[in-house]
Amino acid sequence: EAGVTQFPSHSVIEKGQTVTLRCDPISGHDNLYWYRRVMGKEIKFLLHFVKESKQDESGMPNNRFLAERTGGTYSTLKVQPAELEDSGVYFCASSREWDGRNNEQFFGPGTRLTVL
Amino acid sequence: QKEVEQDPGPLSVPEGAIVSLNCTYSNSAFQYFMWYRQYSRKGPELLMYTYSSGNKEDGRFTAQVDKSSKYISLFIRDSQPSDSATYLCAILKTSYDKVIFGPGTSLSVIP
Repeated sequence: EAGVTQFPSHSVIEKGQTVTLRCDPISGHDNLYWYRRVMGKEIKFLLHFVKESKQDESGMPNNRFLAERTGGTYSTLKVQPAELEDSGVYFCASSREWDGRNNEQFFGPGTRLTVL
Repeated sequence: QKEVEQDPGPLSVPEGAIVSLNCTYSNSAFQYFMWYRQYSRKGPELLMYTYSSGNKEDGRFTAQVDKSSKYISLFIRDSQPSDSATYLCAILKTSYDKVIFGPGTSLSVIP
C-alpha cells in the first residue's frame, strides 16, 4: 500500500508569488489533514477534509491560503500571494473513516516551502 | 499556556542507555495520547497510541500516561543509533480530531 505522497518536496519562491502544494492520500482514506511547521515552532493543524468537504478549517492562518479536495481524492493547498512568514514545512496526513477505535493519521514526507 | 509542553533537548545518550522523554498537557478534555517519531526530512510516524492512564508496551518502547497529573512519558530501553530522531508527543480530544503536537525532543544515540 502506497503511503501519503506530497509534491513538490521543496519549493523556493519569491514573496508575492503563488505556490500550490499537492497531497495524495492513501487510497480509500476519507480524512485528509494539512499541517505545517514553521521555523522553531511545533507542527500545527491547518484544516481537515472529510471526503471533499471541509470539516474543520480553524487552523488556516488567513485568506491567502486556499485548500481544495477535488472529488474527495487528492488535495491542493494554494498560497497566494506568499509572504516570508509562510516559509516552513507543510505536511499532509490521511486516515480512514472512523471505525469507533483509533484512527491513526499517516503523514506524508512534507513540502519544504521557502519564501524569499 | 501551550496545550502541550515538551523539553526540546537536544538529548544525547550512549547506545544501550534507557531514554526517558516527557510531556505535560494542559486540558483534561484530551483523551488520546500519542508519540510520533520523525527522522530528518521525513514526516512524523506513529510510534505509540494510548487512550487510558497506565502503561503500554511495544518492544523496547513503553508509553506511560498519568491523566491525574496530565503527564505523558515515553521510555526507550536498550537505545540504538537508529533511534536517533525527533520524538513528538501529541494529543487528541477525539480519535478523528486534529493532532496537537508538542515541539519535539531531538534524540541522538551515540554508538
